[in-house]
Amino acid sequence: AQSVSQHNHHVILSEAASLELGCNYSYGGTVNLFWYVQYPGQHLQLLLKYFSGDPLVKGIKGFEAEFIKSKFSFNLRKPSVQWSDTAEYFCAVNDWNSGNTPLVFGKGTRLSVIA
Amino acid sequence: DVKVTQSSRYLVKRTGEKVFLECVQDMDHENMFWYRQDPGLGLRLIYFSYDVKMKEKGDIPEGYSVSREKKERFSLILESASTNQTSMYLCASSAPETGNTIYFGEGSWLTVV
Repeated sequence: AQSVSQHNHHVILSEAASLELGCNYSYGGTVNLFWYVQYPGQHLQLLLKYFSGDPLVKGIKGFEAEFIKSKFSFNLRKPSVQWSDTAEYFCAVNDWNSGNTPLVFGKGTRLSVIA
Repeated sequence: DVKVTQSSRYLVKRTGEKVFLECVQDMDHENMFWYRQDPGLGLRLIYFSYDVKMKEKGDIPEGYSVSREKKERFSLILESASTNQTSMYLCASSAPETGNTIYFGEGSWLTVV
């Protein structure tokens, strides 16, 4: 079975600091990878996704993620965070070969950006 | 834009009550899902459905059932609510032509007292 590990439960950064949130998955096959964000009081939104091709994926709001197959990782990055990036971030994976498999989510990382 | 609508944002129910959570999507998606979200546990899959009248158990189906009589509607049922089912419930949908990107509703906060 697939599983997803997000190493940081809560990250606190000052504005303009750089961000990297770790995500590792356990699955030997080909996968689709996602990062979702949940701003306070709002629903989950897709930040970015990787299906194939260039392993460096750019998403909305200046976020990017890099798929490193040898490390089973899909870390999320942003060079300079803003207060408005305060949110909970979820990494997720599903099986690329199957059109219908549900996403398996990590437990989430809460990001707090302080002035 | 895909719209996934959950009929109730906030509910308070008593232990033992039967609870219905309704979800409708407007994009003709084949796949629909129910997750629950709890602090420190992330999102856990309760049930999902690939088509009308079919359902599959997720990771935590105990105490829940689902109904999918129409393609656009996927209902989650708590036959006899218990306090440990107090949670945020998230409905979602996807389709192969969208790359199986999952689109979420706003969530239903259920409190069982």
